[in-house]
Amino acid sequence: GEDVEQSLFLSVREGDSSVINCTYTDSSSTYLYWYKQEPGAGLQLLTYIFSNMDMKQDQRLTVLLNKKDKHLSLRIADTQTGDSAIYFCAESLRSGYSTLTFGKGTMLLVSP
Amino acid sequence: GAGVSQTPSNKVTEKGKYVELRCDPISGHTALYWYRQSLGQGPEFLIYFQGTGAADDSGLPNDRFFAVRPEGSVSTLKIQRTERGDSAVYLCASSLDRASGANVLTFGAGSRLTVL
Repeated sequence: GEDVEQSLFLSVREGDSSVINCTYTDSSSTYLYWYKQEPGAGLQLLTYIFSNMDMKQDQRLTVLLNKKDKHLSLRIADTQTGDSAIYFCAESLRSGYSTLTFGKGTMLLVSP
Repeated sequence: GAGVSQTPSNKVTEKGKYVELRCDPISGHTALYWYRQSLGQGPEFLIYFQGTGAADDSGLPNDRFFAVRPEGSVSTLKIQRTERGDSAVYLCASSLDRASGANVLTFGAGSRLTVL
């Protein structure tokens, strides 16, 4: 079955790096995604990674994927107060159309 | 439109009433999804449309929930005989229906439903 787990809360100081972790159970996941949700807003796609990659970098964001351990992480460099939000990890089981299964989200709080 | 539009943004209703939630996807997006997000939870899949037809409705919790997309664009999620447990934010998302590659969903801001 599909199950995506995340730690619930992370607190960092402005300027530090943040690392948000996610584990998933289905080894047949093809793509893994990170979404950001700010208060009162919908989910915004930050980045995604194909399952045959182990790293993807996009400006301040670095995604690491350990397929053997079914572990995904999102590193945010030089975290800013505007990065405070809930971050969701999601997986899809097929390429192209596939429903996304989301974790419960990690609340990131960035203090000045 | 420029983004996914959902109306109403907030809906308060009484237990037992009927509600409709509307989603207007990004123009040209053939795939449309409904998700439900309860407090403190991640989005849970409800139903997916490919064009006008429901390609996957396995997430609908029971027969009180129904959704339509008659012209392949706007979709309406309908909930009959609402219960307090239906209170949640209902999220709509759309995407280009691709045969391969990442499924990039664009979400609307959601419709917050409160059943008293």
